[in-house]
Amino acid sequence: KNQVEQSPQSLIILEGKNCTLQCNYTVSPFSNLRWYKQDTGRGPVSLTIMTFSENTKSNGRYTATLDADTKQSSLHITASQLSDSASYICVVRDNYGQNFVFGPGTRLSVLP
Amino acid sequence: EAQVTQNPRYLITVTGKKLTVTCSQNMNHEYMSWYRQDPGLGLRQIYYSMNVEVTDKGDVPEGYKVSRKEKRNFPLILESPSPNQTSLYFCASSYIAQGFEQYFGPGTRLTVT
Repeated sequence: KNQVEQSPQSLIILEGKNCTLQCNYTVSPFSNLRWYKQDTGRGPVSLTIMTFSENTKSNGRYTATLDADTKQSSLHITASQLSDSASYICVVRDNYGQNFVFGPGTRLSVLP
Repeated sequence: EAQVTQNPRYLITVTGKKLTVTCSQNMNHEYMSWYRQDPGLGLRQIYYSMNVEVTDKGDVPEGYKVSRKEKRNFPLILESPSPNQTSLYFCASSYIAQGFEQYFGPGTRLTVT
């Protein structure tokens, strides 16, 4: 069964610190993987997309990595800000087209 | 402004009373989809549409209906709502050719008593 798992479930860090969120998937065949940021009470917003051939992609203070062999991705947040407090969702799309498998998300809280 | 809109944003209803949640996008996207989000389960796809008059079931379609008569609109219909359909619902849309980056609406919080 296609699944996406994320860890940790929740994370609390101090403003200015770095953190790394993990995503493991079993979706096959793989098409792409996206990281979304979801603020409380709002719809998710795409941060970055990774395809099979990409290992690393950055979007400002967010850096995503992908290891397609081990089926793992990570999202690294540098110099965290209070506005980074949100849920981060990993979404994997299979190569057949329209099937998206969402992870349960990691809830990040950045404290002053 | 490019956006996905949903109405209503909040709804409290009773078991069995038919309701419709509207979704509209102004980006000329071919693909539209409905999701529900429940604590600890992540977003789960209810129905999706690749274009006008083309709809397909997602992972949790039971108890829901959709229609796609126009490209911009994709309403979600609950013919006979039940308490287990209490959830946060999101509509999303995307271009098919651009890697399916989905743009999400603001969400509709539905409570069925």
